[in-house]
Amino acid sequence: AQSVTQLGSHVSVSEGALVLLRCNYSSSVPPYLFWYVQYPNQGLQLLLKYTTGATLVKGINGFEAEFKKSETSFHLTKPSAHMSDAAEYFCAVMVKAAGNKLTFGGGTRVLVKP
Amino acid sequence: DAGITQSPRHKVTETGTPVTLRCHQTENHRYMYWYRQDPGHGLRLIHYSYGVKDTDKGEVSDGYSVSRSKTEDFLLTLESATSSQTSVYFCAISEPAYNEQFFGPGTRLTVL
Repeated sequence: AQSVTQLGSHVSVSEGALVLLRCNYSSSVPPYLFWYVQYPNQGLQLLLKYTTGATLVKGINGFEAEFKKSETSFHLTKPSAHMSDAAEYFCAVMVKAAGNKLTFGGGTRVLVKP
Repeated sequence: DAGITQSPRHKVTETGTPVTLRCHQTENHRYMYWYRQDPGHGLRLIHYSYGVKDTDKGEVSDGYSVSRSKTEDFLLTLESATSSQTSVYFCAISEPAYNEQFFGPGTRLTVL
């Protein structure tokens, strides 16, 4: 079975500061890993994903994440926060052999202070 | 955006009444999923489908049933709604060859 833990249900950052959202996963097989963003009253939008190959993955809106197998982590970062980054972020793991089902973490809500 | 619609988008109902939510796709994807979103829990899988008339239970299936009689439609039914089923429900689609799911806009359900 797979599981995902996101450390911190709420994160507050100042505009221009580093955004760091932590995600640790558990999977019995090599995982595919995802970060989704949800803006208020909207659906989920894919930020980035890791499947195979390069472990540093770049996504939309200046976000990137690094897959670290030894640490079972897939932390999300952005060098400089913008007010528009205020949203909820979800980390998820997929096992291809299980019908592409996703297991999500509990989510981290980001507040950006001016 | 992937061609996924959910209906209704908002619904308020009373405890004990049956409710059916519809997910419709125009992408001809084989896999379809129903999730519920609750604070602190992220999204949790309710039921999923690998094809027409091929469905299975997810993590939180108690109190829910599904049907898929056509590729494009995946119905989620609450036979007798309870207040604990107040949530936002998302439908998603995928294909075996793909490495991601595509999500619908969600349905906000309130059970009074």
